[in-house]
Amino acid sequence: AQKITQTQPGMFVQEKEAVTLDCTYDTSDPSYGLFWYKQPSSGEMIFLIYQGSYDQQNATEGRYSLNFQKARKSANLVISASQLGDSAMYFCAMRGLSGGSNYKLTFGKGTLLTVNP
Amino acid sequence: NAGVTQTPKFRILKIGQSMTLQCTQDMNHNYMYWYRQDPGMGLKLIYYSVGAGITDKGEVPNGYNVSRSTTEDFPLRLELAAPSQTSVYFCASNPTNGELFFGEGSRLTVL
Repeated sequence: AQKITQTQPGMFVQEKEAVTLDCTYDTSDPSYGLFWYKQPSSGEMIFLIYQGSYDQQNATEGRYSLNFQKARKSANLVISASQLGDSAMYFCAMRGLSGGSNYKLTFGKGTLLTVNP
Repeated sequence: NAGVTQTPKFRILKIGQSMTLQCTQDMNHNYMYWYRQDPGMGLKLIYYSVGAGITDKGEVPNGYNVSRSTTEDFPLRLELAAPSQTSVYFCASNPTNGELFFGEGSRLTVL
């Protein structure tokens, strides 16, 4: 079974500052992938970044980086230089990569980020 | 580049009515999924499919049915709609180990 925990229901950040959104996970799969999605108020799901469990380096995509600490089972999203358009719900998700039923993408409950001007 | 297309985008149903949410993808993905998202919550998996002719239950399958006769299409059927099925429904697909591509969502209200 897989479980994703996002402990921050809401976060506030000042424009141009960095913010970290927390995500911890639990899985029995030896190989897995971790994802972050953004959902703005318009409702669509936007893929942000991916980290494989065997990747040696932390993933980065523009202003997004993933602070992956495998031993602690955490995959925090770091957004640098926050912009007003970053205000949205952010979901952490994971999928097992070894086959079987764990390949389904399991989502956390999300963190609502508000960027203040 | 259509990606994942869901129809309808909005629908109001009366209690006890039935309907089908359509989902089609043009990326030749084997994996397809239906999720529901209740207000202020994350996504819960209803049904998924690993290829044409193969479907399986997710976390919250009661009250729903699916079929996968082709790689492209994965319709979700609601039988005897109930107010508890008021939600936003997302269809998604992915290649074997890539990220999920989502449709725009279908907002369903059952009154």
